[in-house]
Amino acid sequence: DGGITQSPKYLFRKEGQNVTLSCEQNLNHDAMYWYRQDPGQGLRLIYYSQIVNDFQKGDIAEGYSVSREKKESFPLTVTSAQKNPTAFYLCASSETGGGKTQYFGPGTRLLVL
Amino acid sequence: DAKTTQPTSMDCAEGRAANLPCNHSTISGNEYVYWYRQIHSQGPQYIIHGLKNNETNEMASLIITEDRKSSTLILPHATLRDTAVYYCIVTSGGSQGNLIFGKGTKLSVKP
Repeated sequence: DGGITQSPKYLFRKEGQNVTLSCEQNLNHDAMYWYRQDPGQGLRLIYYSQIVNDFQKGDIAEGYSVSREKKESFPLTVTSAQKNPTAFYLCASSETGGGKTQYFGPGTRLLVL
Repeated sequence: DAKTTQPTSMDCAEGRAANLPCNHSTISGNEYVYWYRQIHSQGPQYIIHGLKNNETNEMASLIITEDRKSSTLILPHATLRDTAVYYCIVTSGGSQGNLIFGKGTKLSVKP
């Protein structure tokens, strides 16, 4: 089936530790996005990539890093510089950038021990 | 992108039509209206979008007023599985391409 997969579903981070969230899509989409969602809130953009080997900061990029070495993959690293990482992380993709219909993965819930 | 205003919550009886309103009075000519929903602890799901004409698909209908300042998402026969937060988003697809999700409307479908 075509779609977006995220792993793991739950992730625990210790203080001072970097963790990486996986996002893979087999929709042949050019654009990919990472959002963060806090309880009872909407989504906020962390990073986005409109094409392979290129990515841009979103509204809340501090403490996060990404790479886009392959079209189908857009991993997000939550670094130790992110002081409040507990949240629900959502990855999305679209055919092109520019607000075209986005398709979301099931999300990864990150918790700090 | 234009801002949207939605009611915080709504109830609907199972089997009845659910009509979810959205105000977007500052919408500009090249901005689309998108609707997504998010069932608890899942990723958002695309429902429908439109520019100025009414749209219908297998999930819902979208009615946009003639002046485009408001719209209504209609779920014709709501089921318990339609209980979710519904987001109305207005976007022209700017350089970032991201969608700005507000707090949406929490729809509760009751038996």
